[in-house]
Amino acid sequence: QSALTQPPSASGSPGQSVTISCTGTSSDVGGYNYVSWYQQHPGKAPKLMIYEVSKRPSGVPDRFSGSKSGNTASLTVSGLQAEDEADYYCNSYAGSNNLGVFGGGTKLTVL
Amino acid sequence: QLQLQESGPGLVKPSETLSLTCTVSGGSISTSTYYWGWIRQPPGKGLEWIGSIYYSGSTYYNPSLKSRVTISVDTSKFSLKLSSVTAADTAVYYCARLAGVGGDYADYWGQGTLVTVSS
Repeated sequence: QSALTQPPSASGSPGQSVTISCTGTSSDVGGYNYVSWYQQHPGKAPKLMIYEVSKRPSGVPDRFSGSKSGNTASLTVSGLQAEDEADYYCNSYAGSNNLGVFGGGTKLTVL
Repeated sequence: QLQLQESGPGLVKPSETLSLTCTVSGGSISTSTYYWGWIRQPPGKGLEWIGSIYYSGSTYYNPSLKSRVTISVDTSKFSLKLSSVTAADTAVYYCARLAGVGGDYADYWGQGTLVTVSS
């Protein structure tokens, strides 16, 4: 499978909202409601922020939300805070007998 | 609280086999609810799936690595072997618990271990 497409970078000022896109195909993002998003700070392991398109694990602030339309999934971070500055990766299920497929990652900068 | 911890050599010579173990504590690995996976991240680059394993032993490998990868599972740990390594295999290797349909998301991660391939 090919990697999902994410913009290399995104930015916003504190308090603003920013949306990161993740584009795949009908064989992955578009075919299943199984998109997840991970936050990774430098030198740290990734942290699950969103699963199954729009569900938040316990402890993840509700400032983080996910959605999907067609072959494109999106992560929105509202009320940006300095601690949100990190790399964000999307991942999609790609069917049984297949591993998932990651996006290339987006570096979010809080201005 | 579930914890995962990777262990293994931090330096491997080219053409040799990279071997890592992920020890799971605070929960059972022998459950039908989860898969267990390996993900790697070359320095400065993005995440890449290596493979996953179900408690029954069923495995799923990245097609680009399939000929060189073996993942196995034991009572409280699962392991990765990657043969014939080259400098391109230098990366931080993470183990993770995979939940959801077919293990579609990683909800617990190890801290990661850097493996450098160099003579």
